[in-house]
Amino acid sequence: DTGVSQNPRHKITKRGQNVTFRCDPISEHNRLYWYRQTLGQGPEFLTYFQNEAQLEKSRLLSDRFSAERPKGSFSTLEIQRTEQGDSAMYLCASSLMSMGGTQYFGPGTRLLVL
Amino acid sequence: QQQVKQSPQSLIVQKGGISIINCAYENTAFDYFPWYQQFPGKGPALLIAIRPDVSEKKEGRFTISFNKSAKQFSLHIMDSQPGDSATYFCAASIETGANNLFFGTGTRLTVIP
Repeated sequence: DTGVSQNPRHKITKRGQNVTFRCDPISEHNRLYWYRQTLGQGPEFLTYFQNEAQLEKSRLLSDRFSAERPKGSFSTLEIQRTEQGDSAMYLCASSLMSMGGTQYFGPGTRLLVL
Repeated sequence: QQQVKQSPQSLIVQKGGISIINCAYENTAFDYFPWYQQFPGKGPALLIAIRPDVSEKKEGRFTISFNKSAKQFSLHIMDSQPGDSATYFCAASIETGANNLFFGTGTRLTVIP
């Protein structure tokens, strides 16, 4: 399977705990994006990487959120001191810059903060 | 501020009918307009996309109509099928920049057999 994969698919945590999600993009895709989707809404951009460089961050990405993409391959998104408002689907997408705008999304990680 | 506005919020269509979903945007710098289909519990899947140099693009039963002067674009699903029942999102981005997508709020389509 050469699609975007995300792990875990579901995560339940208690308020105040830290969580980390992983995204494996399509092989050789040099751009990787993180989005957050709440129930009944469209995905909202959080941050993106070109290779290993994090080039843009949304205002939605508070200082409790951190993302990395070491070596320009997989990426991790960590949320520290989770809050109930962090409950959402976290989506990862990847694209090949030479292919223009086409972003391919993974299945997402659904986070529930109790 | 919602950069891309989408309507209707929900749509019910008979099998074989035409489904039409509309979107509008304000930022004239947007130069890439994709439509995504999302099933419950799944990530969005790219359906069809258009760039402003053309007014219409057709792929199978799916057509995008684009009106640059009105800053509007729409998705038409011909011969709608029950399997098309899903949530559809329009989006826009600046392809020459970060290319992060700004999504509409979604349209929940139900196709009745």
